[in-house]
Amino acid sequence: SQQGEEDPQALSIQEGENATMNCSYKTSINNLQWYRQNSGRGLVHLILIRSNEREKHSGRLRVTLDTSKKSSSLLITASRAADTASYFCATDAAGANSKLTFGKGITLSVRP
Amino acid sequence: GAVVSQHPSWVICKSGTSVKIECRSLDFQATTMFWYRQFPKQSLMLMATSNEGSKATYEQGVEKDKFLINHASLTLSTLTVTSAHPEDSSFYICSARDRPRRPPLAKNIQYFGAGTRLSVL
Repeated sequence: SQQGEEDPQALSIQEGENATMNCSYKTSINNLQWYRQNSGRGLVHLILIRSNEREKHSGRLRVTLDTSKKSSSLLITASRAADTASYFCATDAAGANSKLTFGKGITLSVRP
Repeated sequence: GAVVSQHPSWVICKSGTSVKIECRSLDFQATTMFWYRQFPKQSLMLMATSNEGSKATYEQGVEKDKFLINHASLTLSTLTVTSAHPEDSSFYICSARDRPRRPPLAKNIQYFGAGTRLSVL
């Protein structure tokens, strides 16, 4: 079954607005990561949050993790047209032999 | 740092031919590389885990004789799609994980290649 499930599946916002994307998962994790994929390209690692962390910042990105609810959120503040991409959460499950399990992804469109 | 090069980026071939895709870690040693397949507007599906010097571990439902993986060195893994058919057309992406350090690895960040779009006619 899918480990990471993001919502919404698609998000369209105006440049300058904030974008919030959510991810839920099912099993215990070592960490949760967010990746970005531009159309037809590979994935780029954005940020990692460990299971003992609750919030993490990196530039315009803010990630939260609630292990009791098995959920995470990615907030992109002051969005730009260049943020248009697909975003995936990936879980590094405990005992998973280093495999990451990716969610279905969220397509973010930022209108200029 | 942490650059992964994947080649070719795009290939068109006739049905029945074999296609080799290379994945190289350029500035780090990768004991483990991963091969994914991605259908349009869908997530990544892990096909196999490639470990340097040993046989690849295939995910359930992935034919190992169809998708041959070789991880001959700490910087190179190859995926060969043998006797390709139109249903094999897809976007294939590799990733590499950095060599574990002591104490035990605390992170599992994967660095991705740019992907290979395979079209089988």
